[in-house]
Amino acid sequence: KNEVEQSPQNLTAQEGEFITINCSYSVGISALHWLQQHPGGGIVSLFMLSSGKKKHGRLIATINIQEKHSSLHITASHPRDSAVYICAALFGNEKLTFGTGTRLTIIP
Amino acid sequence: NAGVMQNPRHLVRRRGQEARLRCSPMKGHSHVYWYRQLPEEGLKFMVYLQKENIIDESGMPKERFSAEFPKEGPSILRIQQVVRGDSAAYFCASSTGTTRSPNTQYFGPGTRLTVL
Repeated sequence: KNEVEQSPQNLTAQEGEFITINCSYSVGISALHWLQQHPGGGIVSLFMLSSGKKKHGRLIATINIQEKHSSLHITASHPRDSAVYICAALFGNEKLTFGTGTRLTIIP
Repeated sequence: NAGVMQNPRHLVRRRGQEARLRCSPMKGHSHVYWYRQLPEEGLKFMVYLQKENIIDESGMPKERFSAEFPKEGPSILRIQQVVRGDSAAYFCASSTGTTRSPNTQYFGPGTRLTVL
């Protein structure tokens, strides 16, 4: 069964802290997306990666194919980073299977 | 270069009415995906379409729901005889569908459907 699990479900941190959100999946995938959703808002695609590591500004995404695990890191976190972060896996076909999301709150 | 467009952004319907949700993919994108996010739940796949073809509708309820992506115009997700349980945010995403797979999916702002 194609499954995606995220942890933690909720994360509260002080401004400036280094943030890590984890994602594990059950079987081999063709790619993994990291998405950001603000309350009541739309969804922004942050990264799509199949291997290795990608960086955009203060955001870093890594994936370990052998361990079936991906992480999203935020350096120097800021209150505007507060959002729900969702990982979503492509299990060979074109449809995404989503994790339940991590609700991140950054306190000034 | 406009992103994925969805309209309306908010839609209110009474039980038994029809809801039509529209999605215009990014320019140059020929693949459209519809996802549903029920209140306090995660996103779930509904249907995947290419121009004039439904590729995968395994996530779509068998009754009352239909989707199309005509040769011209936006993709339409149609819900007939809506019920309260249809209240959700419906997101559309698009991708290029090039042979270089996998393709990044770009999401629209969503349509929030409320059924009274």
